[in-house]
Amino acid sequence: NAGVTQTPKFQVLKTGQSMTLQCAQDMNHEYMSWYRQDPGMGLRLIHYSVGAGITDQGEVPNGYNVSRSTTEDFPLRLLSAAPSQTSVYFCASSGTGGFKDGYTFGSGTRLTVV
Amino acid sequence: EDQVTQSPEALRLQEGESSSLNCSYTVSGLRGLFWYRQDPGKGPEFLFTLYSAGEEKEKERLKATLTKKESFLHITAPKPEDSATYLCAVRETSGSRLTFGEGTQLTVNP
Repeated sequence: NAGVTQTPKFQVLKTGQSMTLQCAQDMNHEYMSWYRQDPGMGLRLIHYSVGAGITDQGEVPNGYNVSRSTTEDFPLRLLSAAPSQTSVYFCASSGTGGFKDGYTFGSGTRLTVV
Repeated sequence: EDQVTQSPEALRLQEGESSSLNCSYTVSGLRGLFWYRQDPGKGPEFLFTLYSAGEEKEKERLKATLTKKESFLHITAPKPEDSATYLCAVRETSGSRLTFGEGTQLTVNP
C-alpha cells in the first residue's frame, strides 16, 4: 500500500538543464495534481489531470510540462531549469466520490536550481 | 478567483491550552473545504473534509467547523505532538482543483 510515490526526493540542477519529476500512485485515483510549495506562498497548483489523457494548467504552469498516459503515472517535466524553480514539489491524487478523503500527497521532491 | 486566508500565521501554545485556527475563504461555489496537517519535510496529511455550513468533524483533539465564509480548526488541550503546520484548502464547484491557504504554524510547548 504505497500511496503516492515521488522520485527523486532531492535534486540539484544547473540553470538550463531539464529533468523529469516522477509521480506514481497505486490507488486507481482519477485526479492527480502537481503543486509547488515556497516559503510564504503556500501550495500553488502547477498542472492537474482528471484522468488518463487529460491535463490542464493550474496557477503557475510556465516552464513545466505534464502528460498522463496511464492512470498511475503523472510525470512533471522541467524544460529548462531556472533558479526561480527552486522549490519543494508535491504530487497528489484523489479518487471520485466528492473528494471526501481529500487529496493524498506524496512526500515531495526538494529541487535546487543553481 | 478563489481565495483562502489563514490566521494567525504562527501560534504558540502551552500544553493543554486550547485555541482555534481560522480559515476564511472566497469561492464562487464551495464543493468542499479541507484541512491538512503538514510536518516538516513531509507532504500534507489529510484531516477533514467539510461540505456545508454548520457541518462539524472531529478527530482526537481536533474539531473542524464550517460557516458560509470561514472554517475553524479547534484544538482542545493540545499536546507537543500536535505541533505542525495546518493547511486549509477549498474546492470550487466547477472543478477538481484545490486552492490552499498559506497555513498556520502551530507550536505546542510542554
